[in-house]
Amino acid sequence: GEDVEQSLFLSVREGDSSVINCTYTDSSSTYLYWYKQEPGAGLQLLTYIFSNMDMKQDQRLTVLLNKKDKHLSLRIADTQTGDSAIYFCAEIRGSGGYQKVTFGTGTKLQVIP
Amino acid sequence: NAGVTQTPKFRILKIGQSMTLQCTQDMNHNYMYWYRQDPGMGLKLIYYSVGAGITDKGEVPNGYNVSRSTTEDFPLRLELAAPSQTSVYFCASSYSWSGRDNEQFFGPGTRLTVL
Repeated sequence: GEDVEQSLFLSVREGDSSVINCTYTDSSSTYLYWYKQEPGAGLQLLTYIFSNMDMKQDQRLTVLLNKKDKHLSLRIADTQTGDSAIYFCAEIRGSGGYQKVTFGTGTKLQVIP
Repeated sequence: NAGVTQTPKFRILKIGQSMTLQCTQDMNHNYMYWYRQDPGMGLKLIYYSVGAGITDKGEVPNGYNVSRSTTEDFPLRLELAAPSQTSVYFCASSYSWSGRDNEQFFGPGTRLTVL
């Protein structure tokens, strides 16, 4: 399909791990991104992964990429209440000229104390 | 640096009214974008610009217009507001369009309600 798909909602307990999943559309996407949106604010880049990588770790964040299934995931270890936000995955579509970034539908992460 | 600033933060319009949403960035970015965000729908690209004097349509341009007379400013114009344009609007900018340099920096958003 055309859309970058994510589940709408995820609830976890503080201290547990969170896994947010994303299915993207363009198998030739060179970079894939995770953005975080806190309440009442714009999006901020959390992390990104280059398409020739399977995994990238950055402190509590682990990004896994399965190119065959066009599946991207973001794992947050030891989830804290400050991690409550909406998380968007994004892919780059197109080749040559302007390559557009397309955002997913967003997953709202609720962390229960 | 202030980053990306947007004004106003909130606005209520009547059907048929016009308004301009302002966006300014001080990072000397060539690329600028306007998105709208509707609940459960993610971000939809309205218009984008790859430099001063150059703009192009995104996914949902109908009912909007933009201009880019300077590198810093990228205003979004609604000519005849309709209830379907009730949304949160985000302006963003990036250094380039590819790879890591495509990190987009977002403004705080404008919440628009059309009644």
